[in-house]
Amino acid sequence: DGGITQSPKYLFRKEGQNVTLSCEQNLNHDAMYWYRQDPGQGLRLIYYSQIVNDFQKGDIAEGYSVSREKKESFPLTVTSAQKNPTAFYLCASSVGQGPLNQPQHFGDGTRLSIL
Amino acid sequence: RKEVEQDPGPFNVPEGATVAFNCTYSNSASQSFFWYRQDCRKEPKLLMSVYSSGNEDGRFTAQLNRASQYISLLIRDSKLSDSATYLCVVNRRTNFGNEKLTFGTGTRLTIIP
Repeated sequence: DGGITQSPKYLFRKEGQNVTLSCEQNLNHDAMYWYRQDPGQGLRLIYYSQIVNDFQKGDIAEGYSVSREKKESFPLTVTSAQKNPTAFYLCASSVGQGPLNQPQHFGDGTRLSIL
Repeated sequence: RKEVEQDPGPFNVPEGATVAFNCTYSNSASQSFFWYRQDCRKEPKLLMSVYSSGNEDGRFTAQLNRASQYISLLIRDSKLSDSATYLCVVNRRTNFGNEKLTFGTGTRLTIIP
């Protein structure tokens, strides 16, 4: 089955620690995205990548880093500089090319909490 | 003003009733529109795209009004399983040619038996 896999489902971070969230897709999509969702708020874009070896900052990139070395993979690192990392993190992908009527499809998310 | 605005609800509606949500968007350059459904503590899932001529999928009907810059979702004969948060999503190209997808904060719907 094609889809987007995020791991782990739950993650705990200690103070001063960097943690990496995994996102893998086998949909052959060019574009991948990371969002953060806080209670009562909409999804906010952290980083996105429209092609391998290229990525762009979203609206709230500070304290996060990403890489896109392979088409299928777009890991997100939450660094110690991110002072309020507790949130629900969602990875998405889309076809990315062509007209703007291609929806994004989401993985089932990672819940990150501070210890 | 937020780029996409929705009434957060909650909407508490008896089973079998018809319910409608509206969503307004501020950027007239917006080109494509979607409704997503998000269950509690789960990821958003695409419910339907919204086309200019309006479109229907079973009990769900979506409408787009470009002149007034709003989209709507109508759910007929509501079921208990329709209880969820409904997210309005708007897509456009930025000045740099990139896609920018903006999510509303969602409208929470609870269907009451």
